[in-house]
Amino acid sequence: DTAVSQTPKYLVTQMGNDKSIKCEQNLGHDTMYWYKQDSKKFLKIMFSYNNKELIINETVPNRFSPKSPDKAHLNLHINSLELGDSAVYFCASSRDRVHHEQYFGPGTRLTVT
Amino acid sequence: AQSVAQPEDQVNVAEGNPLTVKCTYSVSGNPYLFWYVQYPNRGLQFLLKYITGDNLVKGSYGFEAEFNKSQTSFHLKKPSALVSDSALYFCAVRDKRINKFYFGSGTKLNVKP
Repeated sequence: DTAVSQTPKYLVTQMGNDKSIKCEQNLGHDTMYWYKQDSKKFLKIMFSYNNKELIINETVPNRFSPKSPDKAHLNLHINSLELGDSAVYFCASSRDRVHHEQYFGPGTRLTVT
Repeated sequence: AQSVAQPEDQVNVAEGNPLTVKCTYSVSGNPYLFWYVQYPNRGLQFLLKYITGDNLVKGSYGFEAEFNKSQTSFHLKKPSALVSDSALYFCAVRDKRINKFYFGSGTKLNVKP
């Protein structure tokens, strides 16, 4: 059983389109995260939800909107995609938002052409 | 200012030799510190963490790390490297005061046979 799953694994789309990435965790964790990893492998946190409540909202364009329908799911919707959005997006979860380690999904490679 | 720094982009070591991957942090107070490993085209995997207690922390796959408060460091070590340890290693820190989570820039470990 995959602990943290993401769909799709690959996403190729054109500039200006709107796309969504889905994430689900079956670990019973309270906290979920979205990260962006750029081509140089630099990893930056974008959002974090704790029990469906947004607790971390980094400096991210408002074209990016997370949605958490329940604590097992955290989806990422991106409007008006730009070339610079091309990256690998990772979802992660942790037992709580304080000190527990994070479990990462396999990543979604987004390519904007 | 960077909250967590990994000064080496790449570390090369021969199989069987000890390895060290360096990490320093700059958050105040007593941070929570983590090491993760990323294999190609995979999500990050948790290796070990320091929350409190013994400064020497043991983790997965024979890795350990030592928390040094005076030097604000949390270097990752392994007594005898394996070729299969070759991967990208990330240090991470949670700043409890402001509930922020930061990843280092990553260090590529190359273990040669």
